[in-house]
Amino acid sequence: EVQLVESGGGLVQPGGSLRLSCAASGFTFSSYWMSWVRQAPGKGLEWVANIKQDGSEKYYVDSVKGRFTISRDNAKNSLYLQMNSLRAEDTAVYYCARGGSSGWINWFDPWGQGTLVTVSS
Amino acid sequence: QSVLTQPPSVSGAPGQRVTISCTGSSSNIGAGYDVHWYQQLPGTAPKLLIYGNSNRPSGVPDRFSGSKSGTSASLAITGLQAEDEADYYCQSYDSSLSGPNWVFGGGTKLTVL
Repeated sequence: EVQLVESGGGLVQPGGSLRLSCAASGFTFSSYWMSWVRQAPGKGLEWVANIKQDGSEKYYVDSVKGRFTISRDNAKNSLYLQMNSLRAEDTAVYYCARGGSSGWINWFDPWGQGTLVTVSS
Repeated sequence: QSVLTQPPSVSGAPGQRVTISCTGSSSNIGAGYDVHWYQQLPGTAPKLLIYGNSNRPSGVPDRFSGSKSGTSASLAITGLQAEDEADYYCQSYDSSLSGPNWVFGGGTKLTVL
């Protein structure tokens, strides 16, 4: 069974940092694009970042460029999101999601259960 | 403001048919990029419902169908059931000047009356 399990969320002060992790199992992790998607409380979905199978390509939504870094460790079947200079508007549930196994990413499937990040003083 | 526009809410009685629209522009749906749909039941993570405009993943009932035309796409649900009450999101790719972007609609809350 394909499974994605996020961890690392919590309460952090504005300007602080947090590192999210996503443990993958049930599929060949190194063969897939991986992504982070977030959902602010009571709001819709927002794509955050993508990373290619070998980590050679990374893409970010404009609002997190320069502050967030997506990375992966294929030996550990793990995806990460390093979040720096956090702002109140970064408060959201962060989902780890699997992308495609080809040269590009189209849809996200499956998704993890999410981890809540709260940025507040 | 979401790049893809969905109605905030739709409703229907059990057994009825409802449709949810997703309107984009020439930089996303109108540029030929595929549309995908997700269902988010209350308190749970999103689940892929339709991919590549009209394809259903294994396990998704054929009551759910998708279509795309021009700069818009639609999700249709027939034979509405109580368990279909959820939020539905469309998603596509946008080739704007700022670089690659994977975009979602604002979401539509389906209420089964």
